Amino acid sequence: NAGVTQTPKFQVLKTGQSMTLQCAQDMNHNSMYWYRQDPGMGLRLIYYSASEGTTDKGEVPNGYNVSRLNKREFSLRLESAAPSQTSVYFCASSLGQLNTEAFFGQGTRLTVV
Amino acid sequence: QQQVKQSPQSLIVQKGGIPIINCAYENTAFDYFPWYQQFPGKGPALLIAIRPDVSEKKEGRFTISFNKSAKQFSLHIMDSQPGDSATYFCAASTDFGNEKLTFGTGTRLTIIP
Repeated sequence: NAGVTQTPKFQVLKTGQSMTLQCAQDMNHNSMYWYRQDPGMGLRLIYYSASEGTTDKGEVPNGYNVSRLNKREFSLRLESAAPSQTSVYFCASSLGQLNTEAFFGQGTRLTVV
Repeated sequence: QQQVKQSPQSLIVQKGGIPIINCAYENTAFDYFPWYQQFPGKGPALLIAIRPDVSEKKEGRFTISFNKSAKQFSLHIMDSQPGDSATYFCAASTDFGNEKLTFGTGTRLTIIP
C-alpha cells in the first residue's frame, strides 16, 4: 500500500527554469493538497483540489499552477522558478468528508539557484 | 497573518519527562484540531486530533487538552522516550473548509536519555 507518492525526491533548478512535481495517491481520496514547508513557518497551503476537475488557491499560490489530472493524480508546476521557491514540497490527500485524516507524501526538496 | 500560533520553537526534555507544546488560534470557525508528528526526511503523520466538544483526549501516551474559551490547545507526551524526538505541528481546520489545514510553525522536540 503506497499511500501518497511524490516524484522527484530532490531537484535543483536554475532561476527561470520550469518543472512539474508529480503526486499520486492510491487511497481513492477525493481531496488532494500541495503544501510547502519552510524553516520556522510550518506548512503553508499552496493549492488544493476538493474533487476531480476542481482546484482552488490556498495561502501562497503565486508562482505556481496545478492540475488535477484524475482522481489519483495532482501535479504542481513552477513555470519560472525563483530562489524564493526553494523549499520542501509536500503533497497530501484526504477523504474530503468532515475533517478526516490527511496523508502526506515524503516530500520533494527543491533548490532554486 | 498567522492563524495558529505554536510554542515553543524547540524543547529538550529528559527521558520520562512530560513535554508540553502549546497552540493558540484566532479563527473561531475552526472546529477540528489535529497534531502531526514529523521525523527527519519524512512527511507529517497524524498523531491525535480533537474536536471542541471535549476538553481532553488521550491516545496512549499522547494527550490533547483543549480550552475553547481561551482558544488554546496543547499536546502532552507522558513518559517521553528518545523515539518521540521529532517535530510536532498543531493544526486547525473547519468542517466546511474542504479539510484545508492551517498549521502552526512547529516544535522540534528532543528527548535525551
